[in-house]
Amino acid sequence: AQRVTQPEKLLSVFKGAPVELKCNYSYSGSPELFWYVQYSRQRLQLLLRHISRESIKGFTADLNKGETSFHLKKPFAQEEDSAMYYCALLGGFSGGYNKLIFGAGTRLAVHP
Amino acid sequence: DGGITQSPKYLFRKEGQNVTLSCEQNLNHDAMYWYRQDPGQGLRLIYYSQIVNDFQKGDIAEGYSVSREKKESFPLTVTSAQKNPTAFYLCASSIVGRDPSYHGSGANVLTFGAGSRLTVL
Repeated sequence: AQRVTQPEKLLSVFKGAPVELKCNYSYSGSPELFWYVQYSRQRLQLLLRHISRESIKGFTADLNKGETSFHLKKPFAQEEDSAMYYCALLGGFSGGYNKLIFGAGTRLAVHP
Repeated sequence: DGGITQSPKYLFRKEGQNVTLSCEQNLNHDAMYWYRQDPGQGLRLIYYSQIVNDFQKGDIAEGYSVSREKKESFPLTVTSAQKNPTAFYLCASSIVGRDPSYHGSGANVLTFGAGSRLTVL
């Protein structure tokens, strides 16, 4: 079964502390993974995707196929990082159709 | 200004009524999606379409219907058969990367609308 698990509903940290938002996936093929973010009163938007191997707003995420994980990390959290974060897996590639499967989301709260 | 427009932003419905949520995009994307967002459950896929006149059920399609008569439009109807329709509905679109090995720029990256909040009275 194709599934994305984000075990933490809420992650609360202080400004300047390291952040790690956990994401584990279940997928039999070669996964394509994403992190989306939703800031307060804004649209859900792409933060980063693993194939790009980029750092966006100081966040990075490494695909670990052995642990089937795609954790999102930032060494020093900022208050403006407070948002809802969703991990997503591109799956269901059957008959030429693919779909994005989302995790339940983790709310990151960064306190001053 | 390219993007996705959802309307209405807020909608109230009486039990037993069908309602239709509009989703229009001018991004020239082939694929369009409807998700339902509930607290603690993340985004769950209702329906998706990767080409005009074709669409597929997602994980929670019961009580919903869609049409894809135009590339730009993908309306969602919440029928009276939907047992718990009060939710926030998100429409999205993307370029389609059909080949599993395709990693072209922008393929499979979803652009979301601002959402429609439906409340059943």
